[in-house]
Amino acid sequence: GQSLEQPSEVTAVEGAIVQINCTYQTSGFYGLSWYQQHDGGAPTFLSYNALDGLEETGRFSSFLSRSDSYGYLLLQELQMKDSASYFCAVSHYGGSQGNLIFGKGTKLSVKP
Amino acid sequence: GAGVSQSPSNKVTEKGKDVELRCDPISGHTALYWYRQSLGQGLEFLIYFQGNSAPDKSGLPSDRFSAERTGGSVSTLTIQRTQQEDSAVYLCASSARLSYSYEQYFGPGTRLTVT
Repeated sequence: GQSLEQPSEVTAVEGAIVQINCTYQTSGFYGLSWYQQHDGGAPTFLSYNALDGLEETGRFSSFLSRSDSYGYLLLQELQMKDSASYFCAVSHYGGSQGNLIFGKGTKLSVKP
Repeated sequence: GAGVSQSPSNKVTEKGKDVELRCDPISGHTALYWYRQSLGQGLEFLIYFQGNSAPDKSGLPSDRFSAERTGGSVSTLTIQRTQQEDSAVYLCASSARLSYSYEQYFGPGTRLTVT
């Protein structure tokens, strides 16, 4: 089966850096995605890693280590608007498996 | 262009009634996905469609749930004989094609409450 583990909650202060970790166990791993969801809103795509290493998109970066089945999302220069839930998701396209498997999400609270 | 749209935004129904939830994906997107999200929880995969291929129904929780996609575009998720445990937000998403499943665009969801 597939499983993803991420912390349930993280708290940080405005302007700081926070890292949200994700470990996964899955067959047919293809890549790791990150999504952001504000309360009452729809998930929105943030980043995707298919290869080992760091991908940077503005204040957000995402890292993947396939050998360790591990990834993280790094948020820099935190802003109040970054308060949201963050989900890692495994894609394993191939054969009949084309859906994303989501983690349970990490609720990030940014304090002033 | 327009994003993914879903209707209704809210639905309150009595236990035992049938409900239909509608999803209109981004134009040109061939892959369409349905998820369920309970309060404070992650997203639970239900079903996906890719073009004219047979859908992957592996996530449907019971035979009371079914979905169809007409003309490769609009999709309807039907829940028969609703139960209180069906109360959740039902999210629809689409991607350009199945190989782009890592980047899905979500609709605003339908909040279903079964009383």
